[in-house]
Amino acid sequence: DAKTTQPTSMDCAEGRAANLPCNHSTISGNEYVYWYRQIHSQGPQYIIHGLKNNETNEMASLIITEDRKSSTLILPHATLRDTAVYYCIVSALNAGGTSYGKLTFGQGTILTVHP
Amino acid sequence: DAGVTQSPTHLIKTRGQQVTLRCSPKSGHDTVSWYQQALGQGPQFIFQYYEEEERQRGNFPDRFSGHQFPNYSSELNVNALLLGDSALYLCASSYTGGNQPQHFGDGTRLSIL
Repeated sequence: DAKTTQPTSMDCAEGRAANLPCNHSTISGNEYVYWYRQIHSQGPQYIIHGLKNNETNEMASLIITEDRKSSTLILPHATLRDTAVYYCIVSALNAGGTSYGKLTFGQGTILTVHP
Repeated sequence: DAGVTQSPTHLIKTRGQQVTLRCSPKSGHDTVSWYQQALGQGPQFIFQYYEEEERQRGNFPDRFSGHQFPNYSSELNVNALLLGDSALYLCASSYTGGNQPQHFGDGTRLSIL
């Protein structure tokens, strides 16, 4: 699985957009980009994932560059409850096309949202 | 719709003992993965079960074993506990096929004395 690089920490003002970058320069063609977050004492929460195209759901938007070597998770209007560790993960499909879905977590980005 | 549930939430054991942790997957999910998360670290993949068999395994010793039942629920067993096994143990479930994301439970906090 490809490795990812994220900033150790970021700050954001409440109500502003939080833009969390991730580099995955060695990503393979069959690898998806997943984003999870983990609030203290809870399990990781799935946010969003994508392959090539930009994706949006009720939680966030995912912007993937055309060469797929980096991506940005956007929380459009950050709240205090968005303070968490955010993990960017790339995960491959196996040769048979069935995702085993093994997730390789790094250290993530600690996002702190300030009032 | 219940999500992934794990039991117990907390557990204290002593070195050398054995422990069993349990996981019920999210409704409609047939695959269960287990992760270990040491304090201050990201989760590390232990293994994954599908159709009652271990399908993939991470870099963990044989002291770590598991089981999946016909109803897709799963157990993680750890024998001969070491102090270093103290961690948060997370279960994640998913539906095999395509790129379905895994959904996590809130884990079992295991402390070894």
